[in-house]
Amino acid sequence: GAGVSQSPSNKVTEKGKDVELRCDPISGHTALYWYRQSLGQGLEFLIYFQGNSAPDKSGLPSDRFSAERTGGSVSTLTIQRTQQEDSAVYLCASSSAAGGGTEAFFGQGTRLTVV
Amino acid sequence: SQQGEEDPQALSIQEGENATMNCSYKTSINNLQWYRQNSGRGLVHLILIRSNEREKHSGRLRVTLDTSKKSSSLLITASRAADTASYFCAPNTGNQFYFGTGTSLTVIP
Repeated sequence: GAGVSQSPSNKVTEKGKDVELRCDPISGHTALYWYRQSLGQGLEFLIYFQGNSAPDKSGLPSDRFSAERTGGSVSTLTIQRTQQEDSAVYLCASSSAAGGGTEAFFGQGTRLTVV
Repeated sequence: SQQGEEDPQALSIQEGENATMNCSYKTSINNLQWYRQNSGRGLVHLILIRSNEREKHSGRLRVTLDTSKKSSSLLITASRAADTASYFCAPNTGNQFYFGTGTSLTVIP
């Protein structure tokens, strides 16, 4: 595709359920980032994938959060046993170079609402 | 903290005026990038300035970088209503991007 694609656009889930958020980066981009943005707040870094290197998971807020990137392309962010405080917009971005050497392209995000 | 901190948090100006936003950071950087966000969704890249550059222009945008003061500024000249958005800086240290809370700009027609 021409840009970063995220699905679903919106997700409403019940507290305690698991959710999976998907990100399709721009083809050929080796770097992939996940961020979380609560209402009116800045972007909170979650996880960073770069090529075949071990991901930087330092931003994941708890062990209920995990992410994987299969084949160096599509990434899935999984939140287990969702809580109301997990409600936020989850943003994915990709870039062609490692370490922020070039611009990052963002998807439109997934708005997660936990009820 | 590696994240940038934008100032002011909110800015309201009349169409045609210039808007200046500032960013401060705490660590040495490879580059600093500015992004715009409309309606709380995806961010759009505006400009990247490298640590060995002091000023960069792109259309109505002018970015400065002062590594000795660990600060950057974004100037939007001749603002338009369509410039209404949140603006974020992202200092980059060679790894991921750390964004601040942004400056919310409102341009009044």
